[in-house]
Amino acid sequence: NAGVTQTPKFQVLKTGQSMTLQCAQDMNHNSMYWYRQDPGMGLRLIYYSASEGTTDKGEVPNGYNVSRLNKREFSLRLESAAPSQTSVYFCASSPQTYGVQPQHFGDGTRLSIL
Amino acid sequence: AQTVTQSQPEMSVQEAETVTLSCTYDTSENNYYLFWYKQPPSRQMILVIRQEAYKQQNATENRFSVNFQKAAKSFSLKISDSQLGDTAMYFCAFMHSNDYKLSFGAGTTVTVRA
Repeated sequence: NAGVTQTPKFQVLKTGQSMTLQCAQDMNHNSMYWYRQDPGMGLRLIYYSASEGTTDKGEVPNGYNVSRLNKREFSLRLESAAPSQTSVYFCASSPQTYGVQPQHFGDGTRLSIL
Repeated sequence: AQTVTQSQPEMSVQEAETVTLSCTYDTSENNYYLFWYKQPPSRQMILVIRQEAYKQQNATENRFSVNFQKAAKSFSLKISDSQLGDTAMYFCAFMHSNDYKLSFGAGTTVTVRA
């Protein structure tokens, strides 16, 4: 059981380039999330998807777009990468939108923008 | 976003000893959930323990226990009999009972010394 799988694990981009981070979960979870983690800070929510076909903004959505392709997959796109988007990105999933059911995280994607 | 404060950036503990990590949060709501996540050098986010605010009994998971003080809005984590594998960054997180957003603290780096 792989859980939450993120690709790629590392990526270096130039300013202005575009990039899509992929995330897939095999736990039949309804909800999926994208976070970013910056040094000295906890994870901050970028976007989330409560269920297939729905997406909503989190705390730091500017500069990003998402697609909930199906129940398994939730991608994050940077249309025009900026150095401020250098970060570690985590995808997570949970059985439901809220509640005590914990979120399960992928291993992260380290993204550097030059 | 909710404010979650972890006031200890770093802590060091001798193997087999006990260490306590502090966490405070700010909310006007009565129903919510609290979590501690562990992030080892592998970068994976691992759920350590969870607490429902309506439960007065403190949660315990093997060597990990919490001291939940609802009136003080405090949620500390105690690691007993520390092991080398406990070396990681620990994040406190908060979620409202009817919300999707996990708000994280900045984290505490715990180093277990042999």
